[in-house]
Amino acid sequence: GAVVSQHPSWVICKSGTSVKIECRSLDFQATTMFWYRQFPKQSLMLMATSNEGSKATYEQGVEKDKFLINHASLTLSTLTVTSAHPEDSSFYICSARDLASVSYEQYFGPGTRLTVT
Amino acid sequence: DQQVKQNSPSLSVQEGRISILNCDYTNSMFDYFLWYKKYPAEGPTFLISISSIKDKNEDGRFTVFLNKSAKHLSLHIVPSQPGDSAVYFCAATFFSSGSARQLTFGSGTQLTVLP
Repeated sequence: GAVVSQHPSWVICKSGTSVKIECRSLDFQATTMFWYRQFPKQSLMLMATSNEGSKATYEQGVEKDKFLINHASLTLSTLTVTSAHPEDSSFYICSARDLASVSYEQYFGPGTRLTVT
Repeated sequence: DQQVKQNSPSLSVQEGRISILNCDYTNSMFDYFLWYKKYPAEGPTFLISISSIKDKNEDGRFTVFLNKSAKHLSLHIVPSQPGDSAVYFCAATFFSSGSARQLTFGSGTQLTVLP
């Protein structure tokens, strides 16, 4: 149980284009999903909290117009990197918390490797 | 300001011995702590957690200890196996009105279990 998928697992795009990453909770419902970014040999940095049916909450320093988040259902959140630049190249990971769980574990997807050329 | 710190970037242990991974925190509002394991190019996998009302939680080979007065927690893995080689992150959370119980992660410790 508690499986989170991400698609695509890796993507290469040209500078100036947009890329959409999907995060799905496969066997549970999640009102809240989280988007992280990880640089090599560094910790996970929370980018934003995605709330089903409402606007995402972005962490300080994260451009909301560049990283568009949509949480349209209890099992799907999407992150769109708009007008991507090489500095956006990174490993993006989503997580979800089980609506039915009383604990606070987040279950993570496998991550998406984005390379902007 | 790093609220969750893992001061050892790496740890090597012989197979069969105990692995002890440490984590310190500064925010006394944290009331729930978690350990995750991560392989390269994969998402973290939840291992074990502990509430601040407890000082120990055990699950198979994994035991987490919490010392609230010292703001310190540790993860013990006994016996260590080569498959345990990965990066281990500790994370902490607290309730804040209007927030979604976000996790604050440490910087991770690379555990290598030698056969």
